Amino acid sequence: KQEVTQIPAALSVPEGENLVLNCSFTDSAIYNLQWFRQDPGKGLTSLLLIQSSQREQTSGRLNASLDKSSGRSTLYIAASQPGDSATYLCAVRTASGGSYIPTFGRGTSLIVHP
Amino acid sequence: EPEVTQTPSHQVTQMGQEVILRCVPISNHLYFYWYRQILGQKVEFLVSFYNNEISEKSEIFDDQFSVERPDGSNFTLKIRSTKLEDSAMYFCASSDTQETQYFGPGTRLLVL
Repeated sequence: KQEVTQIPAALSVPEGENLVLNCSFTDSAIYNLQWFRQDPGKGLTSLLLIQSSQREQTSGRLNASLDKSSGRSTLYIAASQPGDSATYLCAVRTASGGSYIPTFGRGTSLIVHP
Repeated sequence: EPEVTQTPSHQVTQMGQEVILRCVPISNHLYFYWYRQILGQKVEFLVSFYNNEISEKSEIFDDQFSVERPDGSNFTLKIRSTKLEDSAMYFCASSDTQETQYFGPGTRLLVL
């Protein structure tokens, strides 16, 4: 059974810092991995999707990498801003017997203070 | 920009009552999903729906749950006889392929 762990659970940084959020998974037979942000009391917003054959994806100040062999993905946020404050979730879809059910981590709660 | 909408935003019900949560997916999307998030817990997959039938479901999605696409725009989740532990935020999502999913804002369900 796929297990997804996100470290750290919480992070508080001053504006302008570059950040790395970590996601690890136990079963490397993944179909894809998706990073989301969740604002308090709101739904999830997709940030980046990495296919199992890809190593990284970039969107603006965000860069996500994937290392299947070690079971890890990182989300890099450059030049953080207060508007980046949110919970960041990692979701892994495991390719197992025709099933693609996603498994989520608990998330990293990020606060960027001015 | 097209978005997934959900109604109601909040629902309070008595234990044992039936509830129907409604979702309007993005119009050209073909895959539909329900997730739940118990307060302070992980987001959990419930069910996926494609071509008018369930394509996958999790262990959580037992006989108390059902989904339906009653017309060309709505996608509903019904809980037949609610339990206290069904209290959670329920998210609907849709996608045009099995790739990036777009989530709605959620319905917060409270069972008393």
